[in-house]
Amino acid sequence: AQSVTQLDSQVPVFEEAPVELRCNYSSSVSVYLFWYVQYPNQGLQLLLKYLSGSTLVKGINGFEAEFNKSQTSFHLRKPSVHISDTAEYFCAVSEEGNQFYFGTGTSLTVIP
Amino acid sequence: DGGITQSPKYLFRKEGQNVTLSCEQNLNHDAMYWYRQDPGQGLRLIYYSQIVNDFQKGDIAEGYSVSREKKESFPLTVTSAQKNPTAFYLCASSTGTVAPVFGPGTRLTVL
Repeated sequence: AQSVTQLDSQVPVFEEAPVELRCNYSSSVSVYLFWYVQYPNQGLQLLLKYLSGSTLVKGINGFEAEFNKSQTSFHLRKPSVHISDTAEYFCAVSEEGNQFYFGTGTSLTVIP
Repeated sequence: DGGITQSPKYLFRKEGQNVTLSCEQNLNHDAMYWYRQDPGQGLRLIYYSQIVNDFQKGDIAEGYSVSREKKESFPLTVTSAQKNPTAFYLCASSTGTVAPVFGPGTRLTVL
């Protein structure tokens, strides 16, 4: 089974500063990778996904992520954060569309 | 618009009582999932179903039961055997390489 590690449980960052949320997964076999965002008391919304092709994936709200197969990582980045980006972010991995494994989440707090 | 609905949004249960959480999707997805979310623990898989009339236990199935009689519906019953059921419950569906789509969640509280 896969395991997903989100290295930072909490990330505070000042408004308009860049941010990187880190995600590593355990297996080097062919995987699909996802980042989701969750606002309080809501379900998860898909930010972006990597299935194949270019290792740099662009998503909604100005987020992007880079797939690094050799380091089994899929870090999420945004060059300039806004107050509205304050939320919980989850990384997820799937082996070819079967079970989906989620990390424990990173709480991003944007400071005015 | 296609999506997933979960009801109710908030649910209160007395100790020893069974309760059922509803999950319906109109996305024509084959697979459906139930996750439990507790603070600081991320999402933990309770049950999943890849086709009608078939389902598998996830990592924390004890004290829960499900059915999948229709493609669109995947209800979760929290039984009295679940000793600590207070949590946020999320239903999701997917098919092929489509990323899972999540419902809005049900917050269950034991009184």
